[in-house]
Amino acid sequence: QKEVEQNSGPLSVPEGAIASLNCTYSDRGSQSFFWYRQYSGKSPELIMFIYSNGDKEDGRFTAQLNKASQYVSLLIRDSQPSDSATYLCAVNRGYQKVTFGIGTKLQVIP
Amino acid sequence: GAGVSQSPSNKVTEKGKDVELRCDPISGHTALYWYRQRLGQGLEFLIYFQGNSAPDKSGLPSDRFSAERTGESVSTLTIQRTQQEDSAVYLCASSSEAGGSQPQHFGDGTRLSIL
Repeated sequence: QKEVEQNSGPLSVPEGAIASLNCTYSDRGSQSFFWYRQYSGKSPELIMFIYSNGDKEDGRFTAQLNKASQYVSLLIRDSQPSDSATYLCAVNRGYQKVTFGIGTKLQVIP
Repeated sequence: GAGVSQSPSNKVTEKGKDVELRCDPISGHTALYWYRQRLGQGLEFLIYFQGNSAPDKSGLPSDRFSAERTGESVSTLTIQRTQQEDSAVYLCASSSEAGGSQPQHFGDGTRLSIL
């Protein structure tokens, strides 16, 4: 089982729809969770981070964490073509170790 | 500067040559990470620095790869006797806290091409 798992996609959604990106992790002791966006040919940029169970909202983005089920998700409301990118999930497993998932490619169709 | 700075942005070299990649982290950031990203692939962890020490070197692919950090600031990643499989984008990231609980901020990367 991979430490951090994401579906590589592509995930295609129509413009204006909600995009739902999911990530599962194997280490139950994981403490911090991050979502990064990476445009083609660019470096990753931080979108959101979450530490506690529940939802965290920032503009059109909502991160959801469920430690009991060991998953974290990112919802993008009112998806725009400019949201088309690869979204990386990163998990801090403690002991200074951060592991990245392979990323989910999102395509927003105009 | 305000962000993580990497140089050079692009490097083309012949197989067998040595290359040195540089990373200037965000001022005051104690943690510094190096990753490799091959075309169309995910991030591959190489090495992590806490201050000037490297507690985790587990990702270095071979003994041709080495890295150092000085003054709790600049870091250099050196690849000796480069091979074609070393061609990739090398990304550096820094974080304000060494335990991994704070986000990492990435530089623009160095695109390395081995002929």
